[in-house]
Amino acid sequence: AQSVTQLGSHVSVSEGALVLLRCNYSSSVPPYLFWYVQYPNQGLQLLLKYTSAATLVKGINGFEAEFKKSETSFHLTKPSAHMSDAAEYFCAVSGNTGRRALTFGSGTRLQVQP
Amino acid sequence: DGGITQSPKYLFRKEGQNVTLSCEQNLNHDAMYWYRQDPGQGLRLIYYSQIVNDFQKGDIAEGYSVSREKKESFPLTVTSAQKNPTAFYLCASSIAFMNTEAFFGQGTRLTVV
Repeated sequence: AQSVTQLGSHVSVSEGALVLLRCNYSSSVPPYLFWYVQYPNQGLQLLLKYTSAATLVKGINGFEAEFKKSETSFHLTKPSAHMSDAAEYFCAVSGNTGRRALTFGSGTRLQVQP
Repeated sequence: DGGITQSPKYLFRKEGQNVTLSCEQNLNHDAMYWYRQDPGQGLRLIYYSQIVNDFQKGDIAEGYSVSREKKESFPLTVTSAQKNPTAFYLCASSIAFMNTEAFFGQGTRLTVV
């Protein structure tokens, strides 16, 4: 069965600092991986997705993520945090066989300090 | 504008009552999903539908029911059998049920008192 683990339920950074949100996946087949962002009381918005093409994926709002098969990781980064990045971030995985509906991690809440 | 519409945004019900949450999409997507969100638990899959007139149980289907009579609609009924129904419910759709991103509605916050 596929799953994702997000390390750190809360991450706090200063404005202008590097953002690093961690995601590790478990899948018996090459996965499709996604990062979503959620602002309070809203739905989820897709930031970026990995679909077995380039291992470094660029998304919206300056975010990017790198797929590392050897580490089973798909960490989300942004070079310089902005106050508007404060939100909850979810990593998700979809397998190529069996269950294909997205399986989500438990989320990481990002705080950006002025 | 194309998108997914969930209504209402806030819903209050008395314990023991069934309640139906609406989800409509005009994206012409085949697949639709219902997720439940609780603090610190991420999103958990309740039901999904790969195509009209078909649906499958997800991880936490007990106490919930769905229908998919039209491609654009996937209502969720929270029944009195659901032991802890207070939560944030998210509907999503995807163009196909195979490794494509899901698009989400704005959610319905259900509070049972």
